[in-house]
This record gives sequence, C-alpha cells and structure tokens, in this order.
Amino acid sequence: AQSVAQPEDQVNVAEGNPLTVKCTYSVSGNPYLFWYVQYPNRGLQFLLKYITGDNLVKGSYGFEAEFNKSQTSFHLKKPSALVSDSALYFCAVSIRYKAAGNKLTFGGGTRVLVKP
Amino acid sequence: DGGITQSPKYLFRKEGQNVTLSCEQNLNHDAMYWYRQDPGQGLRLIYYSQIVNDFQKGDIAEGYSVSREKKESFPLTVTSAQKNPTAFYLCASSNPGQKYNEQFFGPGTRLTVL
Repeated sequence: AQSVAQPEDQVNVAEGNPLTVKCTYSVSGNPYLFWYVQYPNRGLQFLLKYITGDNLVKGSYGFEAEFNKSQTSFHLKKPSALVSDSALYFCAVSIRYKAAGNKLTFGGGTRVLVKP
Repeated sequence: DGGITQSPKYLFRKEGQNVTLSCEQNLNHDAMYWYRQDPGQGLRLIYYSQIVNDFQKGDIAEGYSVSREKKESFPLTVTSAQKNPTAFYLCASSNPGQKYNEQFFGPGTRLTVL
C-alpha cells in the first residue's frame, strides 16, 4: 500500500523568508510524486511533479521540490515566500494503475501562513 | 479549475435523502475521479473511472454510487446509506494516454446534511 505523510499541520513564515513544506512517502516501486495547492473553498491546483530524472523539480509560482530517494522525501520549497502563498498544500504519490491513469494517495495537507 | 465544472457549489440535504453531485469536463480526458475532503484528513478516493461505462471503487465507496455514460460526465450520488456525508467533494480528471499526468480538479461541492 502507498502512503504519504505531511508531518506539519501548519507552517508559519514571514514574507520574504524561505518556505519549506515537508512530505515523506511510502510506496512499492518507483514513486510518482505531486504537489498541489488549495485556496479556501476551491479545488486543487497542480504545482509540480516528479516522475524521473533530475531530483530538483521546478514548478509554478516559483515553487520547487527536491526528490530524495534515500530519505523517501519530496519537500516543497520556495526561496522567498509571499503573503499570497498562504494556502493549504497537499503532497500526493501515485502508482501506475492497470496501465492507464493515476491513482493518487494524498497526504493530510499542510496549511501555510505567510505573515507580512 | 479550468475545464471541469461541478454543481451545485453548496448543497443541503435532509437525512435519508439521496443527492446527486454533478461533474462535467471538456478536457477530453478519459479518466475521472471523485474525492471526499474532510478537515485534517486530506483527500480520500471514493470512485474512479478509466473509461466510459467502467468504474471502480476507491478507498471509501460505501454509501456512494456513480455512473459513466458519457466521457464528459461522472455524476456522484450520495445515498442515505452514507452515515456521515457532510464534506467537501472534489471531482478530477486526467489523461491516461500520457504517462503519469497530473489530475485536474473542479471547484468542489460542499454538502451539508441538516
């Protein structure tokens, strides 16, 4: 079975400071990892994904994530946080299902609060 | 949210009633998914469909039913058998023709049982 853990329910950071949101995973075989962001009462928006290749993945809105196979982690980072980055962030892992589509397993989410 | 619509945005139901949540996509995606979101629990998969006229149970299918008669539509019915239906419901779609594509999400429906 696959699982995702986001150990922090909330992360507080001052505007302009670096932001890190942690994610660890457990899956049999090669993981396919995703980060999504959710604003209040909205659907999820895709930020970035790791499939294979370079361990550092760059995504939307200045976010990036680093895949670390030995630590089974996929932490989301942003060098300089903005107040508008305040939202709920989800990490997800996928396995290939019946040669079609992705079956995603989500972490519990981390709320990010960026203070001016 | 572009390309996937969900209606209604808010839905109120009396206990014992069945309700149907609508999900439509114009992205020409083959795969569609329904998730339930509760505070602090992330998203949990209810049902998914890889192709028209085919669907599979997810992790929490009890008390729910779906149909996939058209590629564009994947309605979810919350039946009276669902013991705790109050939640935020999210529909998503993806194109399995391209490997490991991300899922695109609709804006969600918030269901409240009165």
